Amino acid sequence: DAGVTQSPTHLIKTRGQQVTLRCSPISGHKSVSWYQQVLGQGPQFIFQYYEKEERGRGNFPDRFSARQFPNYSSELNVNALLLGDSALYLCASSLDRGFLNTEAFFGQGTRLTVV
Amino acid sequence: AQSVTQLDSQVPVFEEAPVELRCNYSSSVSVYLFWYVQYPNQGLQLLLKYLSGSTLVKGINGFEAEFNKSQTSFHLRKPSVHISDTAEYFCAVSDRSSGTYKYIFGTGTRLKVLA
Repeated sequence: DAGVTQSPTHLIKTRGQQVTLRCSPISGHKSVSWYQQVLGQGPQFIFQYYEKEERGRGNFPDRFSARQFPNYSSELNVNALLLGDSALYLCASSLDRGFLNTEAFFGQGTRLTVV
Repeated sequence: AQSVTQLDSQVPVFEEAPVELRCNYSSSVSVYLFWYVQYPNQGLQLLLKYLSGSTLVKGINGFEAEFNKSQTSFHLRKPSVHISDTAEYFCAVSDRSSGTYKYIFGTGTRLKVLA
């Protein structure tokens, strides 16, 4: 079975540009969450989507947006990139939204560098 | 707000020696607790989780953790480490506020196993 796949694996962008990151969850998983991991820090929650609806948003500015498609894949968009947006962006998929009887599987991440 | 503290940013240990990685959490409500491992250039992999029941939880790769409610701790242990255990380890707590299901991660502990 394929795990969670994220694309691209690496990306370099210039300040002020826009970026789109993609995530394909494990087949059958309906929940996708996005996390930002800055170097030397633990991952921080950005968004959760379940059944194509936003179910939660972390403390990130409106420059960050996301969506989930009918096939449950997801995109994370970041506008007006800042140097501080440089990070590893992780996607996690799970069967359900909760923590009981389900496990979050993480992709390898997209390493975004803003110069 | 819930938080997770990993007291040690780096832990060097010789191969075949025991190791303990410390994790403390703060929460006024019952929580679920998790340990994840991140190998270089990889996503996060679940080592073990505590949801309820026995306070001693066994995970993959010979790791175990003990939930201590009175001390609000969830320390990770392994009796004999291998070179291949060299990685970053993250403790996380569940957060279900505002209808959002997310993980709150600590800042991580880098375990370096020495030959």
